[in-house]
Amino acid sequence: DVKVTQSSRYLVKRTGEKVFLECVQDMDHENMFWYRQDPGLGLRLIYFSYDVKMKEKGDIPEGYSVSREKKERFSLILESASTNQTSMYLCAHGTSGNTIYFGEGSWLTVV
Amino acid sequence: KQEVTQIPAALSVPEGENLVLNCSFTDSAIYNLQWFRQDPGKGLTSLLLIQSSQREQTSGRLNASLDKSSGRSTLYIAASQPGDSATYLCAVMDGGATNKLIFGTGTLLAVQP
Repeated sequence: DVKVTQSSRYLVKRTGEKVFLECVQDMDHENMFWYRQDPGLGLRLIYFSYDVKMKEKGDIPEGYSVSREKKERFSLILESASTNQTSMYLCAHGTSGNTIYFGEGSWLTVV
Repeated sequence: KQEVTQIPAALSVPEGENLVLNCSFTDSAIYNLQWFRQDPGKGLTSLLLIQSSQREQTSGRLNASLDKSSGRSTLYIAASQPGDSATYLCAVMDGGATNKLIFGTGTLLAVQP
């Protein structure tokens, strides 16, 4: 079975805190993605990476950064969390032109 | 800019019924189309992937078709069961090199026992 592990399922953070969300895949896939999902807005792409140390902005990168030091691990960083970043965050991975696999999601609440 | 629409937004059917979920997209230059299932509070589970050169894919009681020229895909669910209740999302992968998925807003399906 394909496994995508997101480090935390539920987090509560304070405004201004630095937040790390980590994603690990065991399929040796080159492409990894971070999405956020909000009611009425659907899934929106934050950042993606097509290789180690490579990253590209998605549709809503503001307020986020990412890190990919190893092929299997893709981290999403909120430098200074704000309440409008309260959301469900979904990591995904895949190879070019093939099935994209998603993790279970991380629910982040910023208070 | 690619836009993906799913109709209906919500659907309620009695158990045993066959049903069709619709997905339309505005730009036919897609690489592939993927159907996902999402249970409440959970991540997405991939159901079927149709490459742009294919017309349909089948998995068990699920059949997905793709008509690229008209910008449409359908997901057919045969003999629906209460366990099929979930949100169904379609997503297109753009024809560029980025492999980004662009999602529709989903159809919430409730299968009544």
